[in-house]
Amino acid sequence: SQKIEQNSEALNIQEGKTATLTCNYTNYSPAYLQWYRQDPGRGPVFLLLIRENEKEKRKERLKVTFDTTLKQSLFHITASQPADSATYLCAPDPPNTGFQKLVFGTGTRLLVSP
Amino acid sequence: NAGVTQTPKFQVLKTGQSMTLQCAQDMNHNSMYWYRQDPGMGLRLIYYSASEGTTDKGEVPNGYNVSRLNKREFSLRLESAAPSQTSVYFCASSATGTDTGELFFGEGSRLTVL
Repeated sequence: SQKIEQNSEALNIQEGKTATLTCNYTNYSPAYLQWYRQDPGRGPVFLLLIRENEKEKRKERLKVTFDTTLKQSLFHITASQPADSATYLCAPDPPNTGFQKLVFGTGTRLLVSP
Repeated sequence: NAGVTQTPKFQVLKTGQSMTLQCAQDMNHNSMYWYRQDPGMGLRLIYYSASEGTTDKGEVPNGYNVSRLNKREFSLRLESAAPSQTSVYFCASSATGTDTGELFFGEGSRLTVL
């Protein structure tokens, strides 16, 4: 079955550093991969989508990579701020589902200290 | 601009009781979804509706029923609640034909079954 792995341990970093979060998937080959941010007690909020042929995507301080050979996506936040503290979820899109059946990872909690 | 609205936000049930979670979106989206989120399990798709008048099972449909009442509303019903259905439930919606397949989530409904 499709499996998505995100580091369950919280990532603690200092303000100004770059945070790197990992998303590994097995048993399928998604054409797209989405990243979401979730704050405590709130619903997830969409951040970025990267396609299998895009290798890298940037949006302001965010950078996402997609390595289909390693079956891995990396999510980077540069110049991190305490306001970036949240849980980040990856969601590879199973093939031929047109985003209708997104499969989410468990998320990694990021804590940015001043 | 309400987005996706879920009611109730909190509910406590006894085993065997029934209830309906309501969801409405005001973005004219065709697709709507119900997810549940449990610690260590991530978001799991219960049911989805690709368009008004259609519903399909997701990963964990057992014990649930859904109704796509109209384009705006998608309800989730628990006919006979069980403790295993204690969870946080999220409704989401998305537009079809977009480049990103972005899901818009509600704030969640926290359900406890005793």
